[in-house]
Amino acid sequence: AQTVTQSQPEMSVQEAETVTLSCTYDTSESDYYLFWYKQPPSRQMILVIRQEAYKQQNATENRFSVNFQKAAKSFSLKISDSQLGDAAMYFCAYRSAWETSGSRLTFGEGTQLTVNP
Amino acid sequence: GAGVSQSPRYKVAKRGQDVALRCDPISGHVSLFWYQQALGQGPEFLTYFQNEAQLDKSGLPSDRFFAERPEGSVSTLKIQRTQQEDSAVYLCASSLQGGGPTPHEQYFGPGTRLTVT
Repeated sequence: AQTVTQSQPEMSVQEAETVTLSCTYDTSESDYYLFWYKQPPSRQMILVIRQEAYKQQNATENRFSVNFQKAAKSFSLKISDSQLGDAAMYFCAYRSAWETSGSRLTFGEGTQLTVNP
Repeated sequence: GAGVSQSPRYKVAKRGQDVALRCDPISGHVSLFWYQQALGQGPEFLTYFQNEAQLDKSGLPSDRFFAERPEGSVSTLKIQRTQQEDSAVYLCASSLQGGGPTPHEQYFGPGTRLTVT
């Protein structure tokens, strides 16, 4: 079974600064997808960024980028120019590429990000 | 278009009562997932539907939990004889397609917060 670990329960950053959230995972599979989701107090889970394991290039979405280290099974999220609206719980998630019975997500425990003005 | 909707948003049940939680996925989405999110934790997979077929129910914690999607659209998660440990947020997600190499995004609803007293 796959596991996802987020070792930072809480992080804080000053507005306009950069912050990095950590995530490690354990799997015996070679093909999979990794995600970062954002969950504000409204509870609506929002996809932030996605990485395919077969791609060596790190994914980027505007101010959000990842550092994907496949050999180390590490998948960190970097938020640049942090904004007050970035404050939320962030979850790292794993999905097998070849799970024939569906595409369930396995989530980490989450990191609560606070953005200070 | 409309996103995933869930009702009710909040539910308080006395221990031993039965509850039914509803999920309306995005129109045309084949796959539907239920997750359980305990306070301060990441969501955990409960069950998965592809159209009306329940292809994976391995995450259901006990036989008190039952899910259905009879016409391949709306889904209901039923919990019989609720216990205090059932208190959690129940999230529903839908996607265009299920397993395989294409990582169709899972779109989440706002969740139902169940409190068992």
